[in-house]
Amino acid sequence: EVQLLESGGDLVQPGGSLRLSCAVSGFTLSSYAMTWVRQAPGKGLEWVSAISGSGSTTYYADSVRGRFTISRDNSMNALYLQMNSLRAEDTAVYYCAKDFVSTSSWYGGIDYWGRGTLVTVSS
Amino acid sequence: DVVMTQTPLSLSVTPGQPASISCKSSQSLLHSDGKTYLFWYLQKPGQPPQLLIYEVSNRFPGVPDRFSGSGSGTDFTLKISRVEAEDVGVYYCMQSIQRLTFGGGTKVEIK
Repeated sequence: EVQLLESGGDLVQPGGSLRLSCAVSGFTLSSYAMTWVRQAPGKGLEWVSAISGSGSTTYYADSVRGRFTISRDNSMNALYLQMNSLRAEDTAVYYCAKDFVSTSSWYGGIDYWGRGTLVTVSS
Repeated sequence: DVVMTQTPLSLSVTPGQPASISCKSSQSLLHSDGKTYLFWYLQKPGQPPQLLIYEVSNRFPGVPDRFSGSGSGTDFTLKISRVEAEDVGVYYCMQSIQRLTFGGGTKVEIK
């Protein structure tokens, strides 16, 4: 059974940093690209970042490029999102998500999502 | 960026009646590999999204056959042949031909 479990969400002040983690099980992590998607309270879904199965290629939304860094440790079955220079508009539930198709790059379509972790940026 | 526009914003449906949601993209989602990268998700209250349909019309394993997807190019539709109480939530379309973008969502409720 595929499972994704996010952690690391917290209340942080504007300008602060946070590192999110996603522990995965039930599939071979290295075979799939992974994605972070966020959802502001009461709002829709927004793609944040993605990373290829090997970790060699990363992708970022314009809204987070230069502030967020996605990474993975396939040996630890873990995905990460380092978030720096946080802003109020980064407040959201952050979901870790698995690519639907096993490729060497990034398919994009998502089949499984974690339950999310809440990041609140406020003074 | 590829903009995804969903209509309607909300839908109130009598159980057993059909429902239809439209999704339009600002550019064609047909890739040179022949696939069209359009997906449908349902986010039930208090839950993460769940995949219903991939590549326009393919039901994800375990998805009831009352859900169907159709369309091509820039115009797509999700249909529920007979709405059930468990179908309530927000439906999103998503494209992955150019990064990922989501439609604004369609909230489905039961009358």
